[in-house]
Amino acid sequence: EVQLVESGGGLVQPGGSLRLSCAASGFTFSDYWMHWVRQAPGKGLECVSRIKTDGSIITDAESVKGRFTISRDNAKNTLYLQMNSLRVEDTAVYYCARVKDGLFFLDVWGKGTTVTVSS
Amino acid sequence: QSALTQPASVSGSPGQSITISCTGTSSDVGAYNYVSWYQQLPGKAPRLMIYDVTNRPSGVSNRFSGSKSGNTASLTISGLQAEDEADYYCTSYKGTYSPYVFGTGTKVTVL
Repeated sequence: EVQLVESGGGLVQPGGSLRLSCAASGFTFSDYWMHWVRQAPGKGLECVSRIKTDGSIITDAESVKGRFTISRDNAKNTLYLQMNSLRVEDTAVYYCARVKDGLFFLDVWGKGTTVTVSS
Repeated sequence: QSALTQPASVSGSPGQSITISCTGTSSDVGAYNYVSWYQQLPGKAPRLMIYDVTNRPSGVSNRFSGSKSGNTASLTISGLQAEDEADYYCTSYKGTYSPYVFGTGTKVTVL
């Protein structure tokens, strides 16, 4: 079964750090670009960051540039998001999702992990 | 990056057809035939409903269809059913070195 499972969310104070993980199974992880998409409470979806199959291309939203770092370990079939200098407005459910190389839609999503930034 | 513009809400009676618009620019929706649509039920992850403007993934009802004209894409739900009540988001590819851009989201209500 194709599956993406996020973990690592939690409560953190403003200025703090958190690392999210996304474990992939049931497919060839290295064939897919991977995305982190977030949704603040009651708000819409925002593509935070994405990474190419081999990690050679990374694109970040302006809202997280310089603070968040996406990475992947193809040997471990795992995607990461290192989040530093967290702000209250980073509070959201964070989803990982996949896009097959050469295609342009997110066809499988994880269930999400919740990040709350609050003092 | 600016979000694509969608109406905040659209409603219809069972059996009717509704259309949700998604307006972007010549740099995203107008530049590529890579618009996709997602359905999000409350508390759930988004689900792919339409890809590459008009294509339906396996398992998605043929009541869902997509189209595009210029900088505006559209999702049509025909034969509206109670189970279609959800939030719907469009998204567009913006090039190799830009994040995908999502629409503002539309809440569909079945009256």
